[in-house]
Amino acid sequence: EAGVAQSPRYKIIEKRQSVAFWCNPISGHATLYWYQQILGQGPKLLIQFQNNGVVDDSQLPKDRFSAERLKGVDSTLKIQPAKLEDSAVYLCASSLWLPGEETQYFGPGTRLLVL
Amino acid sequence: AQSVTQLDSHVSVSEGTPVLLRCNYSSSYSPSLFWYVQHPNKGLQLLLKYTSAATLVKGINGFEAEFKKSETSFHLTKPSAHMSDAAEYFCVVSSTGTASKLTFGTGTRLQVTL
Repeated sequence: EAGVAQSPRYKIIEKRQSVAFWCNPISGHATLYWYQQILGQGPKLLIQFQNNGVVDDSQLPKDRFSAERLKGVDSTLKIQPAKLEDSAVYLCASSLWLPGEETQYFGPGTRLLVL
Repeated sequence: AQSVTQLDSHVSVSEGTPVLLRCNYSSSYSPSLFWYVQHPNKGLQLLLKYTSAATLVKGINGFEAEFKKSETSFHLTKPSAHMSDAAEYFCVVSSTGTASKLTFGTGTRLQVTL
């Protein structure tokens, strides 16, 4: 079974530029998550989708971050404009939408460096 | 509200000796608890999970964890460390239900020496 795919793996941009990350979840997983992991910390949830609807985006900095999941499969996360403090690893995860099946499976992440 | 406290930010063991990574949790509901491992430049991999079945949970690569409700703990152990176990380990708590939200601890870096 293929895992969660993410691209690109690495990205270096200058502050005030824009950047986009892509995620393809495990086939059949209705729930998709984006996390931000700053160096030395645990991942922090940015946004959670159920199919193509947003379940939780309370931690998403909406003035600069946006995410979409058109057609309920692939998802993109965008930052515009980027700030230095956005340097982090952006992780995508997916899970089934079933009671008791909360296990989230993570992709390899996209490492972003903002200069 | 839910939270996780990993009691050690860094643990160093010799190869072949036991591993103990400590985790305490707080949750308003019956929690699900997980341990994830993250090797350098790799994604998070699920080691094991507790979801209100057996309190002693066995995971991959010889790891296991015991859920102790009275102590609100979920410590991770392994009888004999291997060099390949060197990584960052995260204890994670989740509220039950379909809209579960994971709360991660700050991580414990495991170092394994010869």
